[in-house]
Amino acid sequence: AQSVTQPDIHITVSEGASLELRCNYSYGATPYLFWYVQSPGQGLQLLLKYFSGDTLVQGIKGFEAEFKRSQSSFNLRKPSVHWSDAAEYFCAVGAWENQGGKLIFGQGTELSVKP
Amino acid sequence: KAGVTQTPRYLIKTRGQQVTLSCSPISGHRSVSWYQQTPGQGLQFLFEYFSETQRNKGNFPGRFSGRQFSNSRSEMNVSTLELGDSALYLCASRATGTDIEAFFGQGTRLTVV
Repeated sequence: AQSVTQPDIHITVSEGASLELRCNYSYGATPYLFWYVQSPGQGLQLLLKYFSGDTLVQGIKGFEAEFKRSQSSFNLRKPSVHWSDAAEYFCAVGAWENQGGKLIFGQGTELSVKP
Repeated sequence: KAGVTQTPRYLIKTRGQQVTLSCSPISGHRSVSWYQQTPGQGLQFLFEYFSETQRNKGNFPGRFSGRQFSNSRSEMNVSTLELGDSALYLCASRATGTDIEAFFGQGTRLTVV
């Protein structure tokens, strides 16, 4: 079955430190992978996506992610975290079924940033 | 270009009532999907509409229904509300039926009391 796992429910990093959020997926075909960010009470904002090609993808707000097929992973990274990055982050895989598409999300990782 | 618009932003309803939520996709987008977000279950897919037809449905009871109009706007209806229906309902817009990239609205926060 298709699934996405984010092993870390909550992560705290100091401002200026580097960040890596983990994501593992299970999907039979070539995956379409996404990272979204959600601030409290808000919708989801797309940070970056991977469809094919270069396995290191750049996104908005200085984020990047690396697709590793052998590890079924799509980890999100940022070299230097800012206080405004505190939010919840969701990894998702795009799936096609019944002639329609949908996103399957991980449980999310809540990021706190220490001053 | 305006983003995905969901109305209302907040709703409080009583158990047993019904509710209708609205979503206007990005101009030119033809696919609308709905997701339910709760602390316990996370983000779960409800259904997807494309060209006024439901193409895919998640594992939710029949109390959850939706429709899409010719202008691509979509409504979601929940009948006989239960306390467990309290959630953030998110609408996502996609350009075509074959795009997978989705853009989300701000959501409607439904509280059932």
